[in-house]
Amino acid sequence: QQQVKQSPQSLIVQKGGISIINCAYENTAFDYFPWYQQFPGKGPALLIAIRPDVSEKKEGRFTISFNKSAKQFSLHIMDSQPGDSATYFCAADPNAGGTSYGKLTFGQGTILTVHP
Amino acid sequence: KAGVTQTPRYLIKTRGQQVTLSCSPISGHRSVSWYQQTPGQGLQFLFEYFSETQRNKGNFPGRFSGRQFSNSRSEMNVSTLELGDSALYLCASSFSGRGKETQYFGPGTRLLVL
Repeated sequence: QQQVKQSPQSLIVQKGGISIINCAYENTAFDYFPWYQQFPGKGPALLIAIRPDVSEKKEGRFTISFNKSAKQFSLHIMDSQPGDSATYFCAADPNAGGTSYGKLTFGQGTILTVHP
Repeated sequence: KAGVTQTPRYLIKTRGQQVTLSCSPISGHRSVSWYQQTPGQGLQFLFEYFSETQRNKGNFPGRFSGRQFSNSRSEMNVSTLELGDSALYLCASSFSGRGKETQYFGPGTRLLVL
């Protein structure tokens, strides 16, 4: 119930292509879905986040699509660049209160490589 | 505004030893969460502190403990180190830890247990 499943584990894309990473969850208490980007030797940094009352959110080249009924959400990176090469994590955050304080549940991560 | 800082950045310990890691949150943030990151298990939640109180705890043995000080700085301690404790330990801070808030991560402390 607490899992977030992420796919693919790794992804290779040519410069200018579209990178797509998918996540699925089971716990309907999750109500905030951030995506983090992590470069080697660094901590994860927030990329973009969405709440379940919105089906799509776009920030620059990054778009989150959210399907509440299917309990799935995905990250699309348009015009992928070599500088986007990093590990991407989806995460889910349940509603505040109870045992959920400060806890993000992460997907397993996707290693994205963008070839020039 | 300064980001989340963690010290030390790297540590090498031997089995059976104990280790203390430190985290300074972003100024004004009172919630500090700790995570363990390994290639096999990914990012796993250890615990969260707010106003010097542990409010949430993940599924880790009692060898993992933490505390928070009145200035919101936090430490985590791992006693009787095991080889499997080798990991990147990340702390993250947020204003209240009540959800729908961005958690800002530090660079992590990489612990190697020999």
